[in-house]
Parts: sequence; C-alpha cells; structure tokens
Amino acid sequence: GQQLNQSPQSMFIQEGEDVSMNCTSSSIFNTWLWYKQDPGEGPVLLIALYKAGELTSNGRLTAQFGITRKDSFLNISASIPSDVGIYFCAGNPIRKETSGSRLTFGEGTQLTVNP
Amino acid sequence: DSGVTQTPKHLITATGQRVTLRCSPRSGDLSVYWYQQSLDQGLQFLIQYYNGEERAKGNILERFSAQQFPDLHSELNLSSLELGDSALYFCASTEGSGGYEQYFGPGTRLTVT
Repeated sequence: GQQLNQSPQSMFIQEGEDVSMNCTSSSIFNTWLWYKQDPGEGPVLLIALYKAGELTSNGRLTAQFGITRKDSFLNISASIPSDVGIYFCAGNPIRKETSGSRLTFGEGTQLTVNP
Repeated sequence: DSGVTQTPKHLITATGQRVTLRCSPRSGDLSVYWYQQSLDQGLQFLIQYYNGEERAKGNILERFSAQQFPDLHSELNLSSLELGDSALYFCASTEGSGGYEQYFGPGTRLTVT
C-alpha cells in the first residue's frame, strides 16, 4: 500500500524555538493534511492543502504542499509547551478509482517542548 | 470537540469474543470512516460508509465488519478477537463522499486479554 515517510520521528526543543517536520511519498498526492494528536485523544485537523505549491498558515503553524506533489512540510514558530503532542501528516494519493476517500497517514513526529 | 462521538471510551475483552464500537458523525456529515491505530502501525484506514453505503475499503480483516444506519451512526463489529486487535479505533466524518478534511472522534481503546 501507499507509504508516507515522516521525519523526524521525535524532536526535543526548548520553548520559543521553531520546529520543522516533513513528509514524503513515492506517489503523487492530491491532498495533504496535518493533524495533531494529544495522548488519549483523536487527531485534530490543523491545516489542509489542496494545490501544489500552496502555502497555508494557521496561527503559528505554516504548511506547504510540495511542487512535486510528493511532499509536504509543517513549521511551528515560537513553540510553546502546549505544542507537545504527535503531529501526523496525511494525504490522499491519486487513485484509479474515484469513489470514496481515504487518508494515508505518516508515522508521526513526537514533539516535546521544554519550558 | 470535533462533534464526532464514539462509545465506549474503553473496552476490555477476552480473545475469541465479539465487540461492537459505535460512532455518531458530526451533524450534517454523511460519511463515516473507521481507522485503527496500533503502536507499531500508526493510523490505518479500515472502511468508509457514505449515506448508508460502503464507499471505500482498506485493509480491513474479514473478522471485522461495519455498517451505517439510516440515522447515519455507524458501528464497527470486531469478532473472534485476537491479542493483536488491541488498539485505538477512531471514526471520522465528512460531509460528502470525497471529503478529505476528516474530523475524528475521541476513539475507543480496545484491549484484548
């Protein structure tokens, strides 16, 4: 099946630092999304991207849909303790069948922010 | 709060048993998606229903089945449970059949002993 390679697997940073994580695929995706998951909770949608080259911000978060359509990155600026959690990229690869929609998820980046 | 509800929150059962997980989508959403999240495999898509009809299928085991009812809530049935079925099970919903901005429920943690 489709695989997304998400890196890094984990990050340990100081409060106030900027963070960058990315996701790559061997297949072309028509949608990229970024989710955050807190322990014991469901993933929460942060940003959705629909167009190659698109750059979208949500507060201190910025994400980009790669021009090749095979990658995406997420930046968090001026990190704060509540940014702690697991960040997942997800996408919808272009398929032959047109019905339905499913997301393929990366393995997640565990972010730890030290006050 | 995403608006998606799931019950129960936790479920502990024995191998060989059968359980049913329930999901109610956000108001107005017609599609429900089920995902399994285990420690070693991340989030894996299982199945999608749209307005009562199966729309897409992932790597769902034959021991697992799902359905969506006329009131749009969905149930995921897991039978002949094995230790390896222990995981978090999430449902998500979208308004249409091809929606990518999926909103997730809080999940059901299944422990098979």
